[in-house]
Amino acid sequence: EVQLVESGGGLVKPGESLRLSCAASGFTFSRYSMNWVRQAPGKGLEWVSSITVSSDYIFYANSVRGRFTISRDNTKNSLLLQMNSLTAEDTAVYYCVRINPGSAFDIWGQGTVVTVSS
Amino acid sequence: DFQMTQSPSSLSASVGDRVTITCRASQDISEYLAWYQQKPGKPPRLLIYVASTLQSGVPSRFSGSGSGTDFTLTISSLQPDDVATYFCQKYNSAPRTFGQGTKVEIK
Repeated sequence: EVQLVESGGGLVKPGESLRLSCAASGFTFSRYSMNWVRQAPGKGLEWVSSITVSSDYIFYANSVRGRFTISRDNTKNSLLLQMNSLTAEDTAVYYCVRINPGSAFDIWGQGTVVTVSS
Repeated sequence: DFQMTQSPSSLSASVGDRVTITCRASQDISEYLAWYQQKPGKPPRLLIYVASTLQSGVPSRFSGSGSGTDFTLTISSLQPDDVATYFCQKYNSAPRTFGQGTKVEIK
């Protein structure tokens, strides 16, 4: 079964850091670009970051550039998101998402909840 | 900044009605437009990509059209299982922007 499982979410204070992980299974992880998408409570979807198969191209939304770092380990089938200098506006469910060449965001994880509050 | 504008933000229709949601891109995106369905507490599900191609397993009552800057998602006969929020997205290159969503309810 094709699956993405996020972990690492939790409650942190403003200014603190958190690292999210995504474990991929059921497909050849190293052949797909990957993404993080977030959704604040009661709000819409916000694309956060993308990384290509060999990590040679990385992109960020303006809202997180300079604070978040996306990376991947193809030997471990894992995607990471290092989040620094967190603010209340980063409170959201964070989804790990596969992009299928010729298709779109076709596989989504169940999400991990990040809450930033003092 | 690149923007995707969906309308309406919400709608209420009867079972069996034809429902149309529109999405407008702030720049020409060719046909690199996807539609997603999200039910409460669940991750989004891909419905349509390259503007009009149905993802495997998606009921044929869903269809998409458009190119350039103007796109449409149509549900030909609304069913109770279609109650959800629908999002469009420009996905081919960064920023992979989503529309703000359209909440569909049954009247």
